[in-house]
Amino acid sequence: EDKVVQSPLSLVVHEGDTVTLNCSYEVTNFRSLLWYKQEKKAPTFLFMLTSSGIEKKSGRLSSILDKKELFSILNITATQTGDSAVYLCAGENSGGSNYKLTFGKGTLLTVNP
Amino acid sequence: GAGVSQSPSNKVTEKGKDVELRCDPISGHTALYWYRQSLGQGLEFLIYFQGNSAPDKSGLPSDHFSAERTGGSVSTLTIQRTQQEDSAVYLCASSLAVSRATQYFGPGTRLTVL
Repeated sequence: EDKVVQSPLSLVVHEGDTVTLNCSYEVTNFRSLLWYKQEKKAPTFLFMLTSSGIEKKSGRLSSILDKKELFSILNITATQTGDSAVYLCAGENSGGSNYKLTFGKGTLLTVNP
Repeated sequence: GAGVSQSPSNKVTEKGKDVELRCDPISGHTALYWYRQSLGQGLEFLIYFQGNSAPDKSGLPSDHFSAERTGGSVSTLTIQRTQQEDSAVYLCASSLAVSRATQYFGPGTRLTVL
């Protein structure tokens, strides 16, 4: 059974800190690793990673995938209170009739002023 | 439409009643997905549609869950004879095609079974 594990489950930091969120995965016929940010209800897409070692960057957020060690990290630098959210990681298989996206339980990030 | 919409946003029902949840995907998106998120849990993948077809229904929690999609657009998730453990937020997402594009999520339906 496919599995995605995120750590830590929760994290409290002060504005300006840098945080690293972890995601390990076991996904049969793995295709990609996705990161989402969930503030209220609807998760919003952050990154899709398919290749090992290539960093994706968007402003203060960046992410990288290691397909040998089966993990990914999401970095947030100079955190702001608006970064407070649940960050979800998901492993996607390569499709066909058994297509599936398996989510981890998320990391709850709280950024205090 | 501008985004994925879901209705109702909240639903409170009594145990044993049937409920129907609706998802209206982004126009032109052929793939549609249903997820369930229970308190403190990650998103649980339930089912996906490519067009009107759902190739794999094994993710549905039990035989009192069913889903359909007609006209390649709106989808409904039906829960018959609801139980308290069905209480959760049900999220719908759509993408241009299965496994080839970013999934965009709707705001979800919060279902409470008393």
